[in-house]
Amino acid sequence: DGGITQSPKYLFRKEGQNVTLSCEQNLNHDAMYWYRQDPGQGLRLIYYSQIVNDFQKGDIAEGYSVSREKKESFPLTVTSAQKNPTAFYLCASSARTGGNQPQHFGDGTRLSIL
Amino acid sequence: GNSVTQMEGPVTLSEEAFLTINCTYTATGYPSLFWYVQYPGEGLQLLLKATKADDKGSNKGFEATYRKETTSFHLEKGSVQVSDSAVYFCALKAGDSNYQLIWGAGTKLIIKP
Repeated sequence: DGGITQSPKYLFRKEGQNVTLSCEQNLNHDAMYWYRQDPGQGLRLIYYSQIVNDFQKGDIAEGYSVSREKKESFPLTVTSAQKNPTAFYLCASSARTGGNQPQHFGDGTRLSIL
Repeated sequence: GNSVTQMEGPVTLSEEAFLTINCTYTATGYPSLFWYVQYPGEGLQLLLKATKADDKGSNKGFEATYRKETTSFHLEKGSVQVSDSAVYFCALKAGDSNYQLIWGAGTKLIIKP
């Protein structure tokens, strides 16, 4: 079955450390997205990518970085510049960015600070 | 700008009760509207969608009708079950946006047996 796989499910970061969250999809989707979800709140867009080798900042990109070297993969790095990284991170993809295509989500990665 | 407003939760109901979760929006152009559901510790799943005025999306007993005159997309279910306990998100994709979903804050639903 096609879907989106996020790993790891739980991740712990030490002070001053960069960590990378994995997101892989086998849906052949062009567009991929990273969201941050804080307790009791909605989703905020960190970065998105419409095609390979291209990505754009979302609303809260500071302290994060991404790459899109392959269509299937869109890893997110939480850098030491992100001072409040504790959150639930969700990766999503869609068939294309225009039109009415819904976004499909992975099961998320919960990041905590040690 | 574009925005989505959902009723605040938590909403607590008894099993078999009627459910309404309100969602209103502000958007330019002709948006598409979505309801997503998030079960504890999981990602979001698309529940239903509507792409034009008067469309009714439905799935798993849930329904929502795209009302352009009231800019609303309220989620309803005639008889809820304990397994419906989750957080429900309303979202829109504006006609002038080629990528971004605008999200409501989510409404937590608790169903008691």
